[in-house]
Amino acid sequence: ELKVEQNPLFLSMQEGKNYTIYCNYSTTSDRLYWYRQDPGKSLESLFVLLSNGAVKQEGRLMASLDTKARLSTLHITAAVHDLSATYFCAGVPFLTSGTYKYIFGTGTRLKVLA
Amino acid sequence: DAMVIQNPRYQVTQFGKPVTLSCSQTLNHNVMYWYQQKSSQAPKLLFHYYDKDFNNEADTPDNFQSRRPNTSFCFLDIRSPGLGDAAMYLCATSRDQDRYEQYFGPGTRLTVT
Repeated sequence: ELKVEQNPLFLSMQEGKNYTIYCNYSTTSDRLYWYRQDPGKSLESLFVLLSNGAVKQEGRLMASLDTKARLSTLHITAAVHDLSATYFCAGVPFLTSGTYKYIFGTGTRLKVLA
Repeated sequence: DAMVIQNPRYQVTQFGKPVTLSCSQTLNHNVMYWYQQKSSQAPKLLFHYYDKDFNNEADTPDNFQSRRPNTSFCFLDIRSPGLGDAAMYLCATSRDQDRYEQYFGPGTRLTVT
């Protein structure tokens, strides 16, 4: 079964700094998703990475996917306080039922310090 | 123009008293999911429906049941809530042939007293 691991689990960084969150997965998943979750809120979709080499950027966040290495990264550029949240990646193996089951990583709790 | 709606947003129930959480969607998606998320943990899939076909996760306790009377609605029933069932319950939908995105509702925060 697909397993998804993120690191680090906790990240405290200064405003203006750059950092990368890593998402490793154990078996084939040709799609990778990134979500943001604010405390007490639901999940907000950030990026959908559909193929090997995919790169997507939105504001200060950039996500990439390397299916051969089974690795996705979420890079934060010049962090600001508003980016403080928990970030989850999720892989999607195909199920024989014809549906897709989203397997979430452990999450990375990001705190950006002023 | 909310797409996935969950009611109530906050639910308090007593230990052992049955409770039902509701999810509705305006997206006409084939698949609906229920997740349980405890504090500082990742969402944990409880079950999902593909149209009317029910798919239970192997480790979902029997205490949790679900109903999907039509495409738009899905319910989560907790027959005898325990203190350990206090969590955020998230409903999500997706189109079966479209792995592009999973749409989440706002969640229901369940407290068990």
